Amino acid sequence: QQPVQSPQAVILREGEDAVINCSSSKALYSVHWYRQKHGEAPVFLMILLKGGEQKGHDKISASFNEKKQQSSLYLTASQLSYSGTYFCGTESQINDKIIFGKGTRLHILP
Amino acid sequence: EAGVAQSPRYKIIEKRQSVAFWCNPISGHATLYWYQQILGQGPKLLIQFQNNGVVDDSQLPKDRFSAERLKGVDSTLKIQPAKLEDSAVYLCASSADRSTEAFFGQGTRLTVV
Repeated sequence: QQPVQSPQAVILREGEDAVINCSSSKALYSVHWYRQKHGEAPVFLMILLKGGEQKGHDKISASFNEKKQQSSLYLTASQLSYSGTYFCGTESQINDKIIFGKGTRLHILP
Repeated sequence: EAGVAQSPRYKIIEKRQSVAFWCNPISGHATLYWYQQILGQGPKLLIQFQNNGVVDDSQLPKDRFSAERLKGVDSTLKIQPAKLEDSAVYLCASSADRSTEAFFGQGTRLTVV
């Protein structure tokens, strides 16, 4: 079951914050977040493995609400380099296949 | 550390022809994935290997697609015969183990005309 991402697209000015949501109809074991720039390969951001786990590096962080079967990615004080398409991938049980959502396109304006 | 290598980068073929893609994962990575990414969509898993064994190929159109990973290292993905709807970017990824960070190659952009 493909996870649902929202919003589909976001346009921000540099320095503004953004939240990208990922929800699933199935119980989740893990959530994976990747960013893909146009014409390039997806690049790993983080994996959340435990319910309620929060992670972050630099000004990008994420949370995982196991009970609600959803995860959110937070981009704080966005930079031009944050532009791209963000994908969440969900795993319904350990060592299961990862199913990616359709992506959220983020465009940062100077 | 060398990344995931894929070739060719681009391929244009006519429908009903065959095509093969090659992937060399990061050294030591046990898990290898092939994804199909159609423009504007997320990557769709075609097949997942653990060493040289198939873990999941439930979304692989087996009547035309085949993949192998000999000796648990390099992998090839073949399409025979190709259809117009196979036009996509084919991404290979590898990870040290299942449920861990995956590293993607640059992909092969396939156009079927």
